[in-house]
Amino acid sequence: RKEVEQDPGPFNVPEGATVAFNCTYSNSASQSFFWYRQDCRKEPKLLMSVYSSGNEDGRFTAQLNRASQYISLLIRDSKLSDSATYLCVVNMGSSASKIIFGSGTRLSIRP
Amino acid sequence: EAGVTQSPTHLIKTRGQQATLRCSPISGHTSVYWYQQALGLGLQFLLWYDEGEERNRGNFPPRFSGRQFPNYSSELNVNALELEDSALYLCASSLYREHNEQFFGPGTRLTVL
Repeated sequence: RKEVEQDPGPFNVPEGATVAFNCTYSNSASQSFFWYRQDCRKEPKLLMSVYSSGNEDGRFTAQLNRASQYISLLIRDSKLSDSATYLCVVNMGSSASKIIFGSGTRLSIRP
Repeated sequence: EAGVTQSPTHLIKTRGQQATLRCSPISGHTSVYWYQQALGLGLQFLLWYDEGEERNRGNFPPRFSGRQFPNYSSELNVNALELEDSALYLCASSLYREHNEQFFGPGTRLTVL
């Protein structure tokens, strides 16, 4: 089983729709969680951290479920500019090698 | 403020050759990380440098090596290139050991023929 797993997609949704995707992780001792966004042929950029109580940033909501070992990202009122690959990132320990990137979920928003 | 920069943007080599990739971190960042992103795969951690020392290494063979210079810039060397080394190599930097706050450069796309 992979340490961090994501549905690769692609998710193809119309503009204005709400879309959600999950990411599961294997290590129950994982400490911190993030969502990154990566546009085609560009570098990953931090989208948001995921807090235990859940957090919201505009149209984006991130949630953590420790019991079931997954994090989720919800995008409301999706825009064409939201088209990208969303990477789930889990910090499983104190060293740099314990930061595990998922292989990403591709999202495509159509007009 | 300038972000993380990497050079070259693209690099084409043949099997068996050596490749050198360069990275300049954000000013004030002392930690530099290297990742490999092969097509369709997630980022695979390669190396972490801090204060001029290799602090952590991913599950890659010894022909992947590097160093960090006194100005905190870094170099990744890949010896005896193999076809499967073709990938996007991303460098990231952070403040001292702030692994959770990494800022990525645009990457070097290495193609091995």
